[in-house]
Amino acid sequence: KAGVTQTPRYLIKTRGQQVTLSCSPISGHRSVSWYQQTPGQGLQFLFEYFSETQRNKGNFPGRFSGRQFSNSRSEMNVSTLELGDSALYLCASSKSSGGEQFFGPGTRLTVL
Amino acid sequence: AQRVTQPEKLLSVFKGAPVELKCNYSYSGSPELFWYVQYSRQRLQLLLRHISRESIKGFTADLNKGETSFHLKKPFAQEEDSAMYYCALNPGYSSASKIIFGSGTRLSIRP
Repeated sequence: KAGVTQTPRYLIKTRGQQVTLSCSPISGHRSVSWYQQTPGQGLQFLFEYFSETQRNKGNFPGRFSGRQFSNSRSEMNVSTLELGDSALYLCASSKSSGGEQFFGPGTRLTVL
Repeated sequence: AQRVTQPEKLLSVFKGAPVELKCNYSYSGSPELFWYVQYSRQRLQLLLRHISRESIKGFTADLNKGETSFHLKKPFAQEEDSAMYYCALNPGYSSASKIIFGSGTRLSIRP
């Protein structure tokens, strides 16, 4: 079965712009989590969605938001981009909240 | 505060030698602990979780609540074990996922 897919794979934006990243979970998975990975901070939890509801949120500013659609696909939005938002954004899906997570390949965001 | 500490950024051992990747956590409750692995050019994937008590690819990890540790061990390292290893903690069993990752240890197996 197809794994978690993320689009786009690479993105270059400038400061002040906004960006939307997309994640398609494995078929049948209802939970989608997002993580930010940077060399300095490592892997940090952003938020989790389950059945279109945000179930948990990490310590990120309100510029970071997300949503989940009825087909479990999820989007993550970052507004007013800052240089420090440059990172690899990983999405992971699981059948249930708290279950084994399967990761996507990530979207590499560069903010200039 | 919930925290996962992996003290070694890089661990290099010879093929056939034992491996131990250290992980300590800080959490007042009963966490669920995992080891994730990322091989070169591959996705991050779950290696094992403490509640399963399994041995995966020869690796085992025992939760020591007294020492708040969850070290990953393998008696005989193989070259294909070279990868980035992350210890992780989920503060709530069967609840919302909020995985807290350690900074990772790069394991390099020398032939």
